[in-house]
Amino acid sequence: RKEVEQDPGPFNVPEGATVAFNCTYSNSASQSFFWYRQDCRKEPKLLMSVYSSGNEDGRFTAQLNRASQYISLLIRDSKLSDSATYLCVVNPSYNTDKLIFGTGTRLQVFP
Amino acid sequence: GAGVSQTPSNKVTEKGKYVELRCDPISGHTALYWYRQSLGQGPEFLIYFQGTGAADDSGLPNDRFFAVRPEGSVSTLKIQRTERGDSAVYLCASSSGGRGSSGANVLTFGAGSRLTVL
Repeated sequence: RKEVEQDPGPFNVPEGATVAFNCTYSNSASQSFFWYRQDCRKEPKLLMSVYSSGNEDGRFTAQLNRASQYISLLIRDSKLSDSATYLCVVNPSYNTDKLIFGTGTRLQVFP
Repeated sequence: GAGVSQTPSNKVTEKGKYVELRCDPISGHTALYWYRQSLGQGPEFLIYFQGTGAADDSGLPNDRFFAVRPEGSVSTLKIQRTERGDSAVYLCASSSGGRGSSGANVLTFGAGSRLTVL
């Protein structure tokens, strides 16, 4: 089983739609969680960290479910500019700072 | 510098040759990471440094791959006897935090070095 798994998509949604992505991780000792965004042929950039209590940044909401070992990203009122690949990132252990990336979920927002 | 700088941006080489890829992290960032990314895949962890030492090199695929960071700033990823399967974008990232700090695990990436092995 992969350490971090995501549905690769693509998710094709109209502008204004709400879309949600899930990501599962295999190691219950995983410490920290993030969502990164990657535009085509560009480097990944931090979108948001994911906290145990959940967190919101404008139209974006991230949730962590430790019992079921998944994190989620909700995007409300999708914009054309949200089209990108969303990468789930996990620090798998308390004794390392390495970060494991999922394969990414591709989102395409259409007019 | 203002961001993470990687050179070369593109490298084409022949199978069996030796390649060096350089990363200049954000000034003052103590942690430096190397990843490689193939088309349609997420970044694959290779190695990370905390200061001058390799804190975790568990992602290096085999002994043809080696990385150094002798002065705790610039890092070089070295690939010996390149193979066609090494073709990928090699991404470097840096982070301001040591373990437990607020900056830990928040990565700023460079634009990557695209390696093509013919």
